[in-house]
Parts: sequence; C-alpha cells; structure tokens
Amino acid sequence: DAGVTQSPTHLIKTRGQQVTLRCSPKSGHDTVSWYQQALGQGPQFIFQYYEEEERQRGNFPDRFSGHQFPNYSSELNVNALLLGDSALYLCASSTTGIWNEKLFFGSGTQLSVL
Amino acid sequence: DAKTTQPPSMDCAEGRAANLPCNHSTISGNEYVYWYRQIHSQGPQYIIHGLKNNETNEMASLIITEDRKSSTLILPHATLRDTAVYYCIARSNFGNEKLTFGTGTRLTIIP
Repeated sequence: DAGVTQSPTHLIKTRGQQVTLRCSPKSGHDTVSWYQQALGQGPQFIFQYYEEEERQRGNFPDRFSGHQFPNYSSELNVNALLLGDSALYLCASSTTGIWNEKLFFGSGTQLSVL
Repeated sequence: DAKTTQPPSMDCAEGRAANLPCNHSTISGNEYVYWYRQIHSQGPQYIIHGLKNNETNEMASLIITEDRKSSTLILPHATLRDTAVYYCIARSNFGNEKLTFGTGTRLTIIP
C-alpha cells in the first residue's frame, strides 16, 4: 500500500517563475492538506482540499493556489516566486469523517528559488 | 489552537527511556495532545495522541497531567533511529482541523 507520494522531490526555480507541485494521497484517503516548512522551522499550514474544493486556508497570499482532482490527488501552484518561497513543501492526506484521524505526510518537495 | 512549549533540544543514551516534555497551559477542553516526529529529510510521522488519559501504543507512551497543562512523551528504549525532531501539538477534533506546529524538540540519541 503506497503512502503519500509527492513529485518532484527537488526543484530549482528563479524569482518570478511559477511552479506546480503534485501529491497523491494514501489509498483510501479523500482529504489533502499542504504545508510549507522553512529551514529550521516547523511546517506551516497552507490549505486543505476536500471534494475538490478548498476547505481551510492558512495565512498565505493568493499566489498560493491549489486543486484537487476526482481521484483525490492534488496540486499546489505558486505564482510569481519569491526567494522566501524556498522551503520544503509537504503534502498530508487523511479521511474526512473519521474521528481522531491521523495525518499521513509525504516526504516533500524541496523548492529552491534563486 | 493552544500554543505548546517544548525544550529546543535533548540528548538521550541509546537503550534508555527518552522523556520529552511539553507545556500546553492554555489548552481547551476539546483539544487533544498530538505528537509527531520528523526524521531528517522525511515528512512528519504520527506517534500518539490523547485527551486526558494516559495512552500507550507500539511506539510510545503519552502521560498527560491531571490538569492537562502539560504532558510527557516517553520512548521506552531509545534507539539511534529515534533521533528526530519531536513536535507536540494541541489540536481541536472538531472537523478536520489543521496541525499547528511549533519548532519542536530535537532529540539526539547518543550511542
């Protein structure tokens, strides 16, 4: 049973460019959340998708957007990249409606903005 | 979500019990205490969670004080593979609430 998979594992972009990161949730999960982790910090919540809609959002600008597909996979898009967007981007999946559900995380995409 | 406070780093000898403290003095009645850990270059991994009773699973034990203002994660027989950053998180269980991570405790297991 594959867990949460993310692609690519590493990415290098320049300022002003746009990037798309991808996530496939653990089998049986229908909810995907994205987190940003800067070096030396804990992960910070970006947003959560369920039933192909954004359900919750953290304190991130509109340059960060996402999408969830009918097969529950998800994309994170970041426009007009800034140097400060360099971070590890983590995807987590879970099942809505399960009491005390745990989040399962992927290994992340390391984004470097030059 | 309530804020949690953890020591930035701890060491523990291999084979000994590792006791990681966490303060959450402003935790509310509907918030659970969750523990995750993050091994280098990996995503966070769920360890255990609890509301007010002590909990134990195959990975660890969680001891929550009676007033719920603090808790301790216990790894009974630490191995080198337990070296990681450990996060204590207070999380409401109403709906699919996000996890609010702090900076955690960097636990180093010494051979």
